[in-house]
Amino acid sequence: EAAVTQSPRNKVTVTGGNVTLSCRQTNSHNYMYWYRQDTGHGLRLIHYSYGAGNLQIGDVPDGYKATRTTQEDFFLLLELASPSQTSLYFCASSEEDWVYAEQFFGPGTRLTVL
Amino acid sequence: AQKVTQTQTSISVMEKTTVTMDCVYETQDSSYFLFWYKQTASGEIVFLIRQDSYKKENATVGHYSLNFQKPKSSIGLIITATQIEDSAVYFCAMRENYAQGLTFGLGTRVSVFP
Repeated sequence: EAAVTQSPRNKVTVTGGNVTLSCRQTNSHNYMYWYRQDTGHGLRLIHYSYGAGNLQIGDVPDGYKATRTTQEDFFLLLELASPSQTSLYFCASSEEDWVYAEQFFGPGTRLTVL
Repeated sequence: AQKVTQTQTSISVMEKTTVTMDCVYETQDSSYFLFWYKQTASGEIVFLIRQDSYKKENATVGHYSLNFQKPKSSIGLIITATQIEDSAVYFCAMRENYAQGLTFGLGTRVSVFP
C-alpha cells in the first residue's frame, strides 16, 4: 500500500511569511497532487505533477507555487502567505493519471496564517 | 465542468444497521468515474469504492456498495452492518476523462451509535 507522508503536520506563520509544505511518497507513484480542505468548500485541487520537474495547475492555484524535485518529493510553496491560505493541506499520489486510479492521501498539514 | 453535491450534512445510525447516503453529480462527459472516500476523525482520507460510468452493475467492496442511477446522475453509498468505526465523513468524488483531478462533494458525516 502507498505511503504518503507530509511535513510539518502543523505550521503557524504570519501574514507575508514564507512557507514550504513537504510531501513524500515511497511507492514509486508518478502522479502527485496538492489539495486544500476548507469548511464549506471541501477538498480542492491546487497543483499536481506527473513526474520530476513537471508541474500542472489545478483549480485553485493563486498564491501557490509547487515543485517536484524527484519522483518521491513534491513541495507546496507559499511565498507571501495570507490569512485566506489558512487551511488543511493534503498531498496525494496515484500510480498513473488514469482517470479511474485511486489516490492515496497523506495525513495532512494544518497551516495557520496569522 | 464537473460538480458534485452531497445534500446530507450528517446522519446518525445505530450499530449493525444500514446507512445510505446520497450524491448527485453534473458532467458533460459521457465517460467518467465516481469515487467514495472516507475521512476518519484523525483526518486520514482513504479510498473506499469506485463506479465506472460505463458499467451498469453496482460496485461492491466488503460492506460498501453503490446505488448507481445514471439517468438521475446519482451515486449513493450504502454501508451495511455498520460498526462504530464506520463513524467518519464520507466524500463523493468525480473525475471526467480529461479532468485534472478529483472534484469532491462537501461530505456527509456519519455517526454510528452502539
